[in-house]
Amino acid sequence: QVQLVESGGGLVKPGGSLRLSCAASGFTFSDYYMSWIRQAPGKGLEWVSYISSSGSTIYYADSVKGRFTISRDNAKNSLYLQMNSLRAEDTAVYYCAREADLGGVIVAFDPWGQGTLVTVSS
Amino acid sequence: DIQMTQSPSSLSASVGDRVTITCRASQSISSYLNWYQQKPGKAPKLLIYAASSLQSGVPSRFSGSGSGTDFTLTISSLQPEDFATYYCQQSYSTLRYTFGQGTKLEIK
Repeated sequence: QVQLVESGGGLVKPGGSLRLSCAASGFTFSDYYMSWIRQAPGKGLEWVSYISSSGSTIYYADSVKGRFTISRDNAKNSLYLQMNSLRAEDTAVYYCAREADLGGVIVAFDPWGQGTLVTVSS
Repeated sequence: DIQMTQSPSSLSASVGDRVTITCRASQSISSYLNWYQQKPGKAPKLLIYAASSLQSGVPSRFSGSGSGTDFTLTISSLQPEDFATYYCQQSYSTLRYTFGQGTKLEIK
């Protein structure tokens, strides 16, 4: 079955760096665009970044632009998020999510991984 | 960015009740609206896409309607497993996707 498993979260000091990974299985990873979406503790959802199936097209939310870098390795069925210059407000559960199989009707996210918690604190 | 506002922020209801959650966009988004369900400690799950289409595997008691700026998610007869937080999300603004703040549905 389709599965996304994030890893790499943890406690980091302000200004520090962290690299998140998302291992995909159960589908042809190279056929789908992928996104990172985060959720601060007790808060709502915020889309963070997008990468096309080939990796040639990348977008970021303004809140992380210039600090975060999304990438993928289709040979390893893996998605990554390099996070630099981390701030307290980046504290959140980070989810990787696949584009939903909707025949191009609309952009939606499904499925999602279980998430990995990033805590930025001194 | 397009702002998405859900109401109410929280709602108490009983098993068997009919429940409606509203989502309003700050500008017209046509039918580019999705709904997700999130249970505590779990990832969100897509329920409804394109305002009114039921995602595969989702029970038919869930339905969505609306277009333009005003949208609704309706659960026709609440089941115990439906108590969760629900989010709307707009896909009109390409790569400026935004979510509502969520509606927490609790047992009365």
